[in-house]
Amino acid sequence: GEDVEQSLFLSVREGDSSVINCTYTDSSSTYLYWYKQEPGAGLQLLTYIFSNMDMKQDQRLTVLLNKKDKHLSLRIADTQTGDSAIYFCAEREGSQGNLIFGKGTKLSVKP
Amino acid sequence: ETGVTQTPRHLVMGMTNKKSLKCEQHLGHNAMYWYKQSAKKPLELMFVYSLEERVENNSVPSRFSPECPNSSHLFLHLHTLQPEDSALYLCASSPYGVYNEQFFGPGTRLTVL
Repeated sequence: GEDVEQSLFLSVREGDSSVINCTYTDSSSTYLYWYKQEPGAGLQLLTYIFSNMDMKQDQRLTVLLNKKDKHLSLRIADTQTGDSAIYFCAEREGSQGNLIFGKGTKLSVKP
Repeated sequence: ETGVTQTPRHLVMGMTNKKSLKCEQHLGHNAMYWYKQSAKKPLELMFVYSLEERVENNSVPSRFSPECPNSSHLFLHLHTLQPEDSALYLCASSPYGVYNEQFFGPGTRLTVL
């Protein structure tokens, strides 16, 4: 079945850039998503990218998609302590399917 | 303010109890979802409703029973749960039909004793 893999932890210093990586298996995925979950809260959609795009930038966030390698990354520039959270990568199965989530990457930002 | 609210935020219940989780969305969406989030496991889709009709049931045990009386409200009825059902239960909604961008509620933290 489809699978989405992420590393579980990432620790960076405040002001540095963070890069969270994700690999997926469904080559027919049409959309890929990044969600953020702060402690005690639900998931918040951060950004998404359509599969025919290589890159999408939104303020401090840059999403890179390598469709050939089925690799997705989220770069957070000038990481702040408020960015500390769990970040979930998700792919949509085909064009109408379920969202398949990774286990999440816990980002810790040290002052 | 996410527009998707869930109550209660925390629930402790015994294995013989019956309880219900409630989700309400104020976004005008027409699809709603229940997910289970357990420690160290990916988010698991449990149920999907579109226009108040169930369109997906991912082999969830019958001790979980969903109800969607209208497009704004979704319930998850719980009975005779097991300790391994302890988890964060997340509700989500999406616009324009099933499986589009989903907006999540804060979740209900369920503990089964």
